[in-house]
Amino acid sequence: DVKVTQSSRYLVKRTGEKVFLECVQDMDHENMFWYRQDPGLGLRLIYFSYDVKMKEKGDIPEGYSVSREKKERFSLILESASTNQTSMYLCASRGGGQGTQYFGPGTRLLVL
Amino acid sequence: GENVEQHPSTLSVQEGDSAVIKCTYSDSASNYFPWYKQELGKGPQLIIDIRSNVGEKKDQRIAVTLNKTAKHFSLHITETQPEDSAVYFCAAKLQGAQKLVFGQGTRLTINP
Repeated sequence: DVKVTQSSRYLVKRTGEKVFLECVQDMDHENMFWYRQDPGLGLRLIYFSYDVKMKEKGDIPEGYSVSREKKERFSLILESASTNQTSMYLCASRGGGQGTQYFGPGTRLLVL
Repeated sequence: GENVEQHPSTLSVQEGDSAVIKCTYSDSASNYFPWYKQELGKGPQLIIDIRSNVGEKKDQRIAVTLNKTAKHFSLHITETQPEDSAVYFCAAKLQGAQKLVFGQGTRLTINP
């Protein structure tokens, strides 16, 4: 059974805190993605990585950074959390070519 | 880049009736079109996908049709059941690209 896991289901942080969201996949996938999901806006791509130590900006990278030191792990970092980063964050992974993209269960982040 | 429009944003149907969700895409070079279902509190899950060399694909009560000339594709759910209630996302992927481009989502409600 394929698995994408995210470190937390719910997270509450204060404005200005540094926040780490972790994602792990067990499918040996090359590609990993971070999205945020907000009502009425669908799934918006923040960053993605197509290989270890490689990363590319998505549609809304401002205020975020990422790290991929190992193939199975992709971290999303909020350097200084702000209230407008309150959202649902979804991690996904996909193999090469036309492989299926699998999502994690999501992390609901509240920034106070 | 690719752009995907999805309609309607909300859809309510009686149990047992059919539901149709439509998406249009902008780039004729897209060749992979998956559909995801997101239940409350969960990450999106792939339910069906279609590639550009096929016009229609069916899996039990779910079917997807693709019209490459018009650049649109549709999800059809027949004999709807309460468990079909969820948010559905369409997506498109350009040939050779790593990322999926998602539609805005459709909230489907099945009324008993």
